[in-house]
Amino acid sequence: DAKTTQPPSMDCAEGRAANLPCNHSTISGNEYVYWYRQIHSQGPQYIIHGLKNNETNEMASLIITEDRKSSTLILPHATLRDTAVYYCIVSPTNSNSGYALNFGKGTSLLVTP
Amino acid sequence: GAGVSQTPSNKVTEKGKYVELRCDPISGHTALYWYRQSLGQGPEFLIYFQGTGAADDSGLPNDRFFAVRPEGSVSTLKIQRTERGDSAVYLCASSFGQGNSPLHFGNGTRLTVT
Repeated sequence: DAKTTQPPSMDCAEGRAANLPCNHSTISGNEYVYWYRQIHSQGPQYIIHGLKNNETNEMASLIITEDRKSSTLILPHATLRDTAVYYCIVSPTNSNSGYALNFGKGTSLLVTP
Repeated sequence: GAGVSQTPSNKVTEKGKYVELRCDPISGHTALYWYRQSLGQGPEFLIYFQGTGAADDSGLPNDRFFAVRPEGSVSTLKIQRTERGDSAVYLCASSFGQGNSPLHFGNGTRLTVT
């Protein structure tokens, strides 16, 4: 599976957009980009995923570059409750051995008042 | 609806003892995953079930760890002869088991081996 690279930490002011980058330069054509986050003392929470096109849901937007080697998760109006560790993961679209996600260390996002 | 439920939420045991951790997945989810998370690290894959069978157990660290899912729903992670290094949060997740089905996680069981 392709590995991902994320900055270890980021800060964002409350109400501003949080833009979290992820590099996945070795991604292959059959791999999705997934984003999860983990708030302290809770299990990881699914945010969004995409293959080629940009995606948006009620939580966030996902921008994937045309060459698919990097992506950005955008939280349009960050709140204090968005403080969490954000994980960018690539996973195959089709696998005979399951879809277990390989988490790295993620980006610790701190939203400040 | 109900999410993934893990019990107990906390477990303290003595070195050398046997422990069982339980996971109740979301109803209808065929795939079930166990992960382990140490302090400051991301979750680490242990084992994956599709239905009743363990389709991938490559993440189990050694033969002291074993997991079952006899009826394709509830799963139990079993650890024999616990060691202090087994202390971690054990997370369970379930999904529909298809390529783009997101994983839904429980809040984990915090295991402390003294």
